[in-house]
Amino acid sequence: QSVLTQPPSTSGTPGQRVTISCSGSASNIGSNYVYWYQQFPGVAPKVLIRRNDQRPSGVPDRFSGSTSGTSASLAISGLRSEDEADYHCAAWDDSLNSWVFGGGTKLTVL
Amino acid sequence: QVQLQQWGAGLLKPSETLSLTCAVYNGSISGYFWSWVRQPPGKGLEWIGDINHRGITKYIPSLKSRVNISIDTSKSHFSLKLRSVTAADTALYFCVRRLFGEFDYWGQGTRVTVSS
Repeated sequence: QSVLTQPPSTSGTPGQRVTISCSGSASNIGSNYVYWYQQFPGVAPKVLIRRNDQRPSGVPDRFSGSTSGTSASLAISGLRSEDEADYHCAAWDDSLNSWVFGGGTKLTVL
Repeated sequence: QVQLQQWGAGLLKPSETLSLTCAVYNGSISGYFWSWVRQPPGKGLEWIGDINHRGITKYIPSLKSRVNISIDTSKSHFSLKLRSVTAADTALYFCVRRLFGEFDYWGQGTRVTVSS
Protein backbone atom coordinates (compact mmCIF):
# COMPACT_ATOMS: atom_id res chain seq x y z
CA GLN A 1 0.00 0.00 0.00
CA SER A 2 1.64 3.22 -1.17
CA VAL A 3 1.62 6.34 0.99
CA LEU A 4 0.57 8.48 -1.97
CA THR A 5 -2.58 7.34 -3.75
CA GLN A 6 -2.86 7.30 -7.53
CA PRO A 7 -5.45 5.69 -9.78
CA PRO A 8 -4.02 2.43 -11.15
CA SER A 9 -4.92 3.31 -14.72
CA THR A 10 -6.37 5.95 -16.99
CA SER A 11 -6.82 6.35 -20.72
CA GLY A 12 -7.43 8.90 -23.41
CA THR A 13 -7.54 9.37 -27.15
CA PRO A 14 -4.98 11.28 -29.21
CA GLY A 15 -5.36 15.02 -28.79
CA GLN A 16 -7.33 14.71 -25.59
CA ARG A 17 -6.36 16.15 -22.19
CA VAL A 18 -5.97 13.75 -19.30
CA THR A 19 -5.17 14.33 -15.65
CA ILE A 20 -3.62 11.97 -13.12
CA SER A 21 -4.24 12.59 -9.45
CA CYS A 22 -1.96 11.96 -6.48
CA SER A 23 -3.50 12.12 -3.03
CA GLY A 24 -1.41 12.46 0.10
CA SER A 25 -1.52 14.10 3.50
CA ALA A 26 -0.34 17.13 5.41
CA SER A 27 3.01 15.48 6.14
CA ASN A 28 3.93 14.96 2.48
CA ILE A 29 2.12 16.82 -0.33
CA GLY A 30 0.68 19.29 2.14
CA SER A 31 4.09 20.55 3.18
CA ASN A 32 6.66 19.47 0.59
CA TYR A 33 7.28 19.62 -3.14
CA VAL A 34 5.80 17.00 -5.45
CA TYR A 35 7.74 15.38 -8.28
CA TRP A 36 6.35 13.42 -11.21
CA TYR A 37 8.19 10.67 -13.10
CA GLN A 38 7.45 8.99 -16.41
CA GLN A 39 8.45 5.36 -16.86
CA PHE A 40 8.35 3.19 -19.95
CA PRO A 41 8.25 -0.60 -19.53
CA GLY A 42 11.51 -2.11 -18.42
CA VAL A 43 13.45 1.13 -18.15
CA ALA A 44 14.25 3.62 -15.41
CA PRO A 45 11.89 6.51 -14.65
CA LYS A 46 12.61 10.01 -15.90
CA VAL A 47 11.67 13.22 -14.07
CA LEU A 48 8.79 14.99 -15.75
CA ILE A 49 7.81 17.66 -13.24
CA ARG A 50 9.93 19.01 -10.39
CA ARG A 51 8.88 21.13 -7.41
CA ASN A 52 5.13 20.84 -8.06
CA ASP A 53 4.96 22.56 -11.42
CA GLN A 54 8.39 23.04 -13.02
CA ARG A 55 9.36 21.26 -16.22
CA PRO A 56 12.98 20.22 -16.73
CA SER A 57 14.45 21.29 -20.05
CA GLY A 58 13.37 18.97 -22.80
CA VAL A 59 9.98 18.13 -21.32
CA PRO A 60 7.21 19.34 -23.65
CA ASP A 61 4.89 22.02 -22.32
CA ARG A 62 2.02 19.59 -22.89
CA PHE A 63 2.92 18.29 -19.45
CA SER A 64 1.98 20.39 -16.42
CA GLY A 65 1.80 19.87 -12.69
CA SER A 66 -0.22 21.48 -9.93
CA THR A 67 -0.99 21.04 -6.27
CA SER A 68 -3.89 21.93 -4.01
CA GLY A 69 -3.76 21.20 -0.30
CA THR A 70 -2.81 17.55 0.12
CA SER A 71 -3.31 16.58 -3.52
CA ALA A 72 -1.34 16.96 -6.70
CA SER A 73 -2.22 16.53 -10.37
CA LEU A 74 -0.35 15.88 -13.57
CA ALA A 75 -2.06 17.09 -16.72
CA ILE A 76 -1.17 15.98 -20.22
CA SER A 77 -2.73 17.95 -23.05
CA GLY A 78 -2.68 17.10 -26.74
CA LEU A 79 -2.25 13.43 -25.86
CA ARG A 80 0.09 11.49 -28.14
CA SER A 81 0.68 7.77 -28.55
CA GLU A 82 4.21 8.13 -27.21
CA ASP A 83 2.79 9.35 -23.89
CA GLU A 84 1.64 5.81 -23.13
CA ALA A 85 3.65 4.99 -20.01
CA ASP A 86 3.48 4.70 -16.24
CA TYR A 87 3.44 7.91 -14.20
CA HIS A 88 4.58 8.15 -10.59
CA CYS A 89 4.27 10.96 -8.06
CA ALA A 90 6.74 11.43 -5.19
CA ALA A 91 7.27 13.66 -2.17
CA TRP A 92 9.18 13.80 1.09
CA ASP A 93 7.15 12.73 4.11
CA ASP A 94 7.95 14.61 7.32
CA SER A 95 6.28 12.04 9.58
CA LEU A 96 7.85 8.95 8.02
CA ASN A 97 11.15 10.75 7.44
CA SER A 98 11.24 9.08 4.03
CA TRP A 99 10.72 9.73 0.35
CA VAL A 100 7.34 8.31 -0.62
CA PHE A 101 5.92 7.42 -4.00
CA GLY A 102 2.48 6.77 -5.38
CA GLY A 103 1.60 3.34 -6.71
CA GLY A 104 1.89 4.57 -10.28
CA THR A 105 -0.74 5.19 -12.96
CA LYS A 106 -0.67 3.36 -16.26
CA LEU A 107 -1.74 5.68 -19.08
CA THR A 108 -3.15 4.03 -22.18
CA VAL A 109 -3.59 6.02 -25.38
CA LEU A 110 -6.53 4.47 -27.22
CA GLN B 1 26.40 13.15 -19.26
CA VAL B 2 26.28 11.49 -15.85
CA GLN B 3 25.91 7.72 -16.05
CA LEU B 4 25.15 5.21 -13.32
CA GLN B 5 26.02 1.58 -13.94
CA GLN B 6 24.98 -1.05 -11.44
CA TRP B 7 25.65 -4.72 -10.92
CA GLY B 8 25.04 -7.54 -8.44
CA ALA B 9 23.52 -10.97 -7.99
CA GLY B 10 20.05 -11.38 -9.42
CA LEU B 11 18.93 -14.63 -7.81
CA LEU B 12 18.96 -15.17 -4.07
CA LYS B 13 17.60 -17.72 -1.64
CA PRO B 14 15.58 -16.65 1.39
CA SER B 15 17.77 -15.45 4.30
CA GLU B 16 20.67 -14.53 2.02
CA THR B 17 22.09 -11.03 1.65
CA LEU B 18 21.33 -8.88 -1.38
CA SER B 19 24.39 -6.99 -2.55
CA LEU B 20 24.42 -4.39 -5.34
CA THR B 21 27.01 -1.82 -6.37
CA CYS B 22 26.65 1.29 -8.51
CA ALA B 23 29.41 3.18 -10.29
CA VAL B 24 29.10 6.87 -11.10
CA TYR B 25 30.67 8.08 -14.35
CA ASN B 26 31.15 11.58 -15.76
CA GLY B 27 30.13 13.40 -12.62
CA SER B 28 31.15 14.38 -9.13
CA ILE B 29 30.10 12.23 -6.23
CA SER B 30 30.14 15.26 -3.92
CA GLY B 31 27.12 17.48 -3.48
CA TYR B 32 24.51 14.81 -4.10
CA PHE B 33 22.69 12.02 -2.35
CA TRP B 34 23.09 8.55 -3.80
CA SER B 35 19.95 6.48 -3.46
CA TRP B 36 18.53 3.04 -3.94
CA VAL B 37 14.95 2.68 -5.15
CA ARG B 38 13.14 -0.58 -5.83
CA GLN B 39 10.03 -1.59 -7.74
CA PRO B 40 8.31 -4.90 -6.97
CA PRO B 41 6.74 -6.60 -10.00
CA GLY B 42 3.67 -4.71 -11.14
CA LYS B 43 3.90 -2.22 -8.27
CA GLY B 44 5.07 1.31 -7.58
CA LEU B 45 8.46 2.65 -6.62
CA GLU B 46 9.85 2.41 -3.10
CA TRP B 47 12.74 4.49 -1.80
CA ILE B 48 15.13 2.33 0.26
CA GLY B 49 17.61 4.93 1.44
CA ASP B 50 20.53 7.09 0.47
CA ILE B 51 24.01 8.27 1.35
CA ASN B 52 26.09 11.38 0.67
CA HIS B 53 29.82 11.67 0.00
CA ARG B 54 30.47 12.07 3.74
CA GLY B 55 28.84 8.73 4.44
CA ILE B 56 25.73 10.17 6.08
CA THR B 57 22.88 7.75 5.51
CA LYS B 58 19.13 7.78 5.73
CA TYR B 59 16.93 4.71 5.41
CA ILE B 60 13.25 3.95 5.11
CA PRO B 61 12.13 2.90 8.63
CA SER B 62 10.59 -0.38 7.48
CA LEU B 63 13.95 -1.65 6.18
CA LYS B 64 16.33 0.10 8.55
CA SER B 65 17.13 -3.03 10.58
CA ARG B 66 18.24 -4.98 7.49
CA VAL B 67 19.80 -2.42 5.16
CA ASN B 68 23.21 -0.85 4.82
CA ILE B 69 24.30 1.66 2.19
CA SER B 70 27.98 2.49 1.87
CA ILE B 71 30.11 4.67 -0.38
CA ASP B 72 33.66 4.51 -1.73
CA THR B 73 34.45 8.00 -2.94
CA SER B 74 37.84 6.96 -4.28
CA LYS B 75 36.13 4.67 -6.77
CA SER B 76 32.93 6.73 -7.20
CA HIS B 77 30.98 3.66 -6.16
CA PHE B 78 28.16 3.19 -3.70
CA SER B 79 26.62 -0.07 -2.55
CA LEU B 80 23.49 -1.59 -1.08
CA LYS B 81 23.33 -4.58 1.24
CA LEU B 82 19.99 -5.97 2.36
CA ARG B 83 20.17 -8.84 4.84
CA SER B 84 17.81 -11.75 5.42
CA VAL B 85 15.90 -11.35 2.17
CA THR B 86 12.47 -12.87 1.61
CA ALA B 87 10.21 -13.19 -1.40
CA ALA B 88 8.85 -9.74 -0.53
CA ASP B 89 12.24 -8.29 -1.50
CA THR B 90 11.86 -9.50 -5.09
CA ALA B 91 11.99 -6.34 -7.18
CA LEU B 92 13.77 -4.29 -9.82
CA TYR B 93 16.43 -2.32 -7.93
CA PHE B 94 17.72 1.03 -9.20
CA CYS B 95 20.62 3.16 -8.07
CA VAL B 96 19.79 6.85 -8.40
CA ARG B 97 21.36 10.25 -7.94
CA ARG B 98 19.27 12.66 -5.88
CA LEU B 99 19.69 16.42 -5.91
CA PHE B 100 17.48 17.91 -3.23
CA GLY B 101 14.11 16.34 -4.02
CA GLU B 102 14.76 15.20 -7.54
CA PHE B 103 15.91 11.72 -8.51
CA ASP B 104 17.59 12.85 -11.70
CA TYR B 105 19.93 10.11 -12.94
CA TRP B 106 19.09 6.43 -12.71
CA GLY B 107 21.01 3.22 -13.22
CA GLN B 108 19.76 0.64 -15.66
CA GLY B 109 18.15 -1.47 -12.91
CA THR B 110 18.92 -4.93 -11.59
CA ARG B 111 16.19 -7.51 -11.33
CA VAL B 112 16.51 -9.40 -8.04
CA THR B 113 14.49 -12.53 -7.44
CA VAL B 114 14.31 -14.26 -4.06
CA SER B 115 13.26 -17.88 -4.38
CA SER B 116 14.07 -21.14 -2.71
